[in-house]
Amino acid sequence: AQTVTQSQPEMSVQEAETVTLSCTYDTSESDYYLFWYKQPPSRQMILVIRQEAYKQQNATENRFSVNFQKAAKSFSLKISDSQLGDAAMYFCAYSTSYGKLTFGQGTILTVHP
Amino acid sequence: SQTIHQWPATLVQPVGSPLSLECTVEGTSNPNLYWYRQAAGRGLQLLFYSVGIGQISSEVPQNLSASRPQDRQFILSSKKLLLSDSGFYLCAWSGRAGVWGDTQYFGPGTRLTVL
Repeated sequence: AQTVTQSQPEMSVQEAETVTLSCTYDTSESDYYLFWYKQPPSRQMILVIRQEAYKQQNATENRFSVNFQKAAKSFSLKISDSQLGDAAMYFCAYSTSYGKLTFGQGTILTVHP
Repeated sequence: SQTIHQWPATLVQPVGSPLSLECTVEGTSNPNLYWYRQAAGRGLQLLFYSVGIGQISSEVPQNLSASRPQDRQFILSSKKLLLSDSGFYLCAWSGRAGVWGDTQYFGPGTRLTVL
């Protein structure tokens, strides 16, 4: 079974600085998808970024980018120019067949003004 | 554009009572639909998924059940709630039925407290 591990229960960053959230996963499949979701205090899950495993190029969405290391099974999220609105819990997720998502335990990100 | 609705937003129920949570999706057809549960401060656990009307797959054996009476309606039910059923329930959809890797979009969730 696939597992997703987020080893940082909490992280903090100063406003305008850069922070990196870590994620590792375990799978025997060669084709899969990886996601980062953000859960603000409202608790609605919001997609941040999506990576297709067959693509070597790292995905980027504005201030959010990933460092995808397939051989190491690592998928970290970098947030540049952090903003107060980035404060949330961030979940790494792996997509299995039929799009079933396996989630990590989450990292709480605090942004200090 | 597509939207996903869940209701109720909050629910407090006594142990042993029935449960019905509803999820509807607008602006798309034949989506994959999912029910997740999130315990306090933890990641999401997939409970059920559906690739079409009347087609339900269960991921976790428990006293919950799901039904999909219409293409864009997904219902989570229980005949008798347990204390352990408390949590935050999220419904999600993805755009292409039976296709994996499609992005899932989540509803606002239902906070269930069983007393």
